[in-house]
Amino acid sequence: DVKVTQSSRYLVKRTGEKVFLECVQDMDHENMFWYRQDPGLGLRLIYFSYDVKMKEKGDIPEGYSVSREKKERFSLILESASTNQTSMYLCASIPHFSGRASSTDTQYFGPGTRLTVL
Amino acid sequence: GDSVTQMEGPVTLSEEAFLTINCTYTATGYPSLFWYVQYPGEGLQLLLKATKADDKGSNKGFEATYRKETTSFHLEKGSVQVSDSAVYFCALRRFTGGGNKLTFGTGTQLKVEL
Repeated sequence: DVKVTQSSRYLVKRTGEKVFLECVQDMDHENMFWYRQDPGLGLRLIYFSYDVKMKEKGDIPEGYSVSREKKERFSLILESASTNQTSMYLCASIPHFSGRASSTDTQYFGPGTRLTVL
Repeated sequence: GDSVTQMEGPVTLSEEAFLTINCTYTATGYPSLFWYVQYPGEGLQLLLKATKADDKGSNKGFEATYRKETTSFHLEKGSVQVSDSAVYFCALRRFTGGGNKLTFGTGTQLKVEL
């Protein structure tokens, strides 16, 4: 069965701390994504990666960076956490872009990490 | 740019009532359309999808039809259950370079009461 796991379900950090959120998928997917979810705003894309060591900015990359050293792992980094980064963070993955809208093009999501920055 | 607009919630219904959650989109070309569901404390799961005009996606009694003329993908269910209580997200995907990016609506919370 398809599985995307995230390192923590709940995390509490202090302003200015460096924060690492880890995501691992066991499906050999090329594409991985980080979103944040906020009430009234839905899901917004922070960064995505379509291959190892490749990354692209999403819609709201400011204050974040990412790392993809291995195919199965995609890390989101908050270099200096701030209170406005308190949110739910969701990781997702999908196979290689085939150019066709096939059934394998579904995004699979992890359970989410609820981060609170005090 | 691409955008998805959903009706605001929460939507509160009695069990066995008829459900409609409206979704309209703006996108160039021919996007694929999705409904995702998020149960309390969980991540998002794909509920159904449609990849071209007039396609109907269906799953677990939910249906949505891709209407290109009205740029809509409304979610419907004939008889809701308490277990359907969740947040529902409409989303679209265009095939742009660099991977499959989804654009989400803001989500609609559904509460079903006995």
